[in-house]
Amino acid sequence: QVQLVESGGGVVPPGGSLTLSCAASGFSFSSFAIHWVRQAPGKGLEWMSFISSVGSNKNYADSVRGRFTISRDNSKNTLYLQMKGLTTEDTAVYFCATGLRHGGHAFDVWGQGTLVSVSS
Amino acid sequence: QSVLTQPPSASKTPGQRVTISCSGSSSNIGTYTVSWYQQFPGTAPKLLIYSNNQRPSGVPDRFSGSKSGTSASLAISGLQSEDEADYYCATWDGSLNGSVFGTGTKVTVL
Repeated sequence: QVQLVESGGGVVPPGGSLTLSCAASGFSFSSFAIHWVRQAPGKGLEWMSFISSVGSNKNYADSVRGRFTISRDNSKNTLYLQMKGLTTEDTAVYFCATGLRHGGHAFDVWGQGTLVSVSS
Repeated sequence: QSVLTQPPSASKTPGQRVTISCSGSSSNIGTYTVSWYQQFPGTAPKLLIYSNNQRPSGVPDRFSGSKSGTSASLAISGLQSEDEADYYCATWDGSLNGSVFGTGTKVTVL
């Protein structure tokens, strides 16, 4: 079945780095753009970044531009998010999401999320 | 902070109709279609409405969406206890070249 599974979350000290992964299955991963969305504890959803189907187009939210890098390996059906210079403000559950059936900006497939906790 | 504004909460009794507003600008809602998501605590969001007013397969027709100018709204008619959740609007923003989410509305069924 169609599925996105995030991994790589954990506890990291302020200023540290972490790389998240999102493994896709059940659909043609290389045909779709894919996004990262995060949710801080008790807060709302915040769009982080997207990458086009072949990786040629990327963009980031202002809050993470220059610190986070999105990439994908279509041969491995996997999306990545490299995070550097982490602060406590980056503590959140990170979801990957994509729009398969209703247009790229209507996210009908989400992963279960992976928790990143930035703490000393 | 989000560029799409929603009321923080809404509450009605079972069977009533509740409406949630989402206010944006010309660079987002005014130009692009709006989606709505439902989220229960500890779970991933679920797509409820896409293209302003379309329901994905499996979403009850109690849920409806509309858009006018730079605002959108989600209506839930015949409110049920299982509808108690957080709801978010979302769209693309041409100025930011990225997706934007609303601030979120917690719906409580009294």
